[in-house]
Amino acid sequence: GQNIDQPTEMTATEGAIVQINCTYQTSGFNGLFWYQQHAGEAPTFLSYNVLDGLEEKGRFSSFLSRSKGYSYLLLKELQMKDSASYLCAVRHNSGGYQKVTFGTGTKLQVIP
Amino acid sequence: DSGVTQTPKHLITATGQRVTLRCSPRSGDLSVYWYQQSLDQGLQFLIQYYNGEERAKGNILERFSAQQFPDLHSELNLSSLELGDSALYFCASSPGQGSYGYTFGSGTRLTVV
Repeated sequence: GQNIDQPTEMTATEGAIVQINCTYQTSGFNGLFWYQQHAGEAPTFLSYNVLDGLEEKGRFSSFLSRSKGYSYLLLKELQMKDSASYLCAVRHNSGGYQKVTFGTGTKLQVIP
Repeated sequence: DSGVTQTPKHLITATGQRVTLRCSPRSGDLSVYWYQQSLDQGLQFLIQYYNGEERAKGNILERFSAQQFPDLHSELNLSSLELGDSALYFCASSPGQGSYGYTFGSGTRLTVV
């Protein structure tokens, strides 16, 4: 089966940097997504990593280490609007098809 | 607007009833995915359709069923509803069948009373 672990909650200060970690154990790994989800709203795509390394996109960066089954999402210059849940999701081959399995998410609270 | 349309946005119904949730994928997308998100729970994959055919199945209960029509819209049918079925139900779509490039709809909030 698939196992995805991320911290349940985190708190960080406006203007600071926060790193949200995700570890996974899966067979047939084919990539890792990060999504942002504000309460009661749809998840929105942030990043997709398939190769090892860091992908930077504005204030958000995502890192992947396939050998360690580890990823993190780095948010810089935090803003109040960044308060949301951040979902780590693994794309994997299952039964000949590609599936995406989501972690339970990390609820980030940004405080003044 | 993500381009994925879900209706209705809210639904309140009684236990034992049956409801149908509808999803229209983004223009050009052939795959539709259904997810359930209960309070403080992660997104649970239910089922995927690609161009009208079932492609992958997740933790979907036997009381639930889905289909994708020739115009590519999809419906999720939930029957014999229980209190525990109260959740947000999201539909997502992608161009191919490879579960890449998901776009989510805004969801249907189902409350079973």
